[in-house]
Amino acid sequence: DTGVSQNPRHKITKRGQNVTFRCDPISEHNRLYWYRQTLGQGPEFLTYFQNEAQLEKSRLLSDRFSAERPKGSFSTLEIQRTEQGDSAMYLCASKKGSYGYTFGSGTRLTVV
Amino acid sequence: QKEVEQNSGPLSVPEGAIASLNCTYSDRGSQSFFWYRQYSGKSPELIMFIYSNGDKEDGRFTAQLNKASQYVSLLIRDSQPSDSATYLCAVNKNRDDKIIFGKGTRLHILP
Repeated sequence: DTGVSQNPRHKITKRGQNVTFRCDPISEHNRLYWYRQTLGQGPEFLTYFQNEAQLEKSRLLSDRFSAERPKGSFSTLEIQRTEQGDSAMYLCASKKGSYGYTFGSGTRLTVV
Repeated sequence: QKEVEQNSGPLSVPEGAIASLNCTYSDRGSQSFFWYRQYSGKSPELIMFIYSNGDKEDGRFTAQLNKASQYVSLLIRDSQPSDSATYLCAVNKNRDDKIIFGKGTRLHILP
């Protein structure tokens, strides 16, 4: 496995629609993180998993956002009833041990 | 006060010179410190991490940490045009915790 894989790379959706993104981490990495990044800003933490357990969810995350990591492998991030303010790059990262993350290429969401 | 603060730049440095990027953090209990490089339209890439006070060198990059001043810096020697990117400073409270990022500093190396 050469890295963290995210799909799709780009998603354009109409306001009010639901979208789901997928992240496949590096296989031996037990921790998986979701971030959101808008233009000119650093990545903003959304949530993270250790194996299949969701350990923390940002207080900034509305109830329209949900994430899962069944069986501690891949993860999905779903946004329900999308709004224009949800337009951003959604980044997934994984890590094992004490070192920094390895990021995927991201999913760019545009809500029109 | 933001948890991780960086000057957004742009910082313009002539090719071959030393680029100096700075970052301050608010949580005195922070344990681990990272520098990520992000090219336009790409995802962040880890280039350095440091845990202990002092300097850590890796090739043309040197990370410096001063916990008493809550200050982290990144020096890039012999700057190349390919170093032009946004540099993100990031910290976490312990090695198992999430990483908090600053807004990043845009670096422009002038040919």
